[in-house]
Amino acid sequence: GDSVTQMEGPVTLSEEACLTINCTYTATGYPSLFWYVQYPGEGLQLLLKATKADDKGSNKGFEATYRKETTSFHLEKGSVQVSDSAVYFCALSGRAGGTSYGKLTFGQGTILTVHP
Amino acid sequence: GAGVSQTPSNKVTEKGKYVELRCDPISGHTALYWYRQSLGQGPEFLIYFQGTGAADDSGLPNDRFFAVRPEGSVSTLKIQRTERGDSAVYLCASSPFPGQGYEQYFGPGTRLTVT
Repeated sequence: GDSVTQMEGPVTLSEEACLTINCTYTATGYPSLFWYVQYPGEGLQLLLKATKADDKGSNKGFEATYRKETTSFHLEKGSVQVSDSAVYFCALSGRAGGTSYGKLTFGQGTILTVHP
Repeated sequence: GAGVSQTPSNKVTEKGKYVELRCDPISGHTALYWYRQSLGQGPEFLIYFQGTGAADDSGLPNDRFFAVRPEGSVSTLKIQRTERGDSAVYLCASSPFPGQGYEQYFGPGTRLTVT
């Protein structure tokens, strides 16, 4: 079945440091890939997505590129801010039984803490 | 506009009791999903509704869990004979269309604690 593996956290960085959170997946066919974020006290929200190979999703300075050859979707940001402190989830939406209806399979989440 | 809402936000119940968790999706969203998130884990799929029908309930852990969406809008997740292992945050999400590329909009969740 489908699965997503994220780098284990937590990750602690100083403000303006570079961030990479690794994500690899296993799925049949061509899934869509997502990064969701959960800020303290808030619900899950979409950060970015990519729906086909070599697509790059981007939002709020974050980027991730859909790499089918390495089955990866690593999240990157060149300069993190304190406000980026949150839990980040990599997820995929694949096909089940020949149909595709959006069911998400999540990684275990990575806690990011950014200090001033 | 209003987002996905879930009630109650917290529910504490005794082992063996019955509980109902409610989800109000975004108006007009036809697809509705329930997930369960245990501490330190990512959400896990439970059930998917397209309109009024449960199109995929393969994630429900056992027959103590049941969900309905009678009018194609509000959904209720029902858990019978609760067990301590059912303690988790139950998340509801909706989407304007079913499909693997569409964003799902999540509610704040219901934290269920079984004592």
